[in-house]
Amino acid sequence: DAGVIQSPRHEVTEMGQEVTLRCKPISGHNSLFWYRQTMMRGLELLIYFNNNVPIDDSGMPEDRFSAKMPNASFSTLKIQPSEPRDSAVYFCASSLMEGSGNTIYFGEGSWLTVV
Amino acid sequence: DQQVKQNSPSLSVQEGRISILNCDYTNSMFDYFLWYKKYPAEGPTFLISISSIKDKNEDGRFTVFLNKSAKHLSLHIVPSQPGDSAVYFCAASVRTGGFKTIFGAGTRLFVKA
Repeated sequence: DAGVIQSPRHEVTEMGQEVTLRCKPISGHNSLFWYRQTMMRGLELLIYFNNNVPIDDSGMPEDRFSAKMPNASFSTLKIQPSEPRDSAVYFCASSLMEGSGNTIYFGEGSWLTVV
Repeated sequence: DQQVKQNSPSLSVQEGRISILNCDYTNSMFDYFLWYKKYPAEGPTFLISISSIKDKNEDGRFTVFLNKSAKHLSLHIVPSQPGDSAVYFCAASVRTGGFKTIFGAGTRLFVKA
């Protein structure tokens, strides 16, 4: 089975440009998460969806960040305009929400560098 | 507000000995706890989990202990192997319309041969 698929794997962009990161969750999973990894803060939860509906976006750093999930098999995280402090690894993850808990499966990450 | 804390950024252990990684949390509503392992340039991978109704879960060399009264959990790896060298993340989930899962900052484990 294919795991969580993220694209691009690496992106270098100039400050002020729009960045769009893409994610295809594992088929059949009903929850999707976007995390950001930095040296200082580890893995930060930015936003998560359940059944394509955003449940909690309190981790989104500011209005420059937005996320969508138009259907069960696709999500995007957009940064507009991008800034150097947005440089990080962005992980998408998915899970099947079950009664006693859930195991999250991560993609390989999108490495973003804003210069 | 860091709800899940891993206070040790790194840990060094000799091969064959026990590795103990610690994690503290603040939200008493968390009902599911997980440990993930991450190698460089890869996504985190699930290692072991425990429900809040249990105090221990074991899987091979890996055991997770949960102390709810202290809001503390730990991961024991015994015996430690060089291939265990990685960053270990502690995570906690709470059901809020989905399962909101919060991760700690991670602990880098070095297992010396």
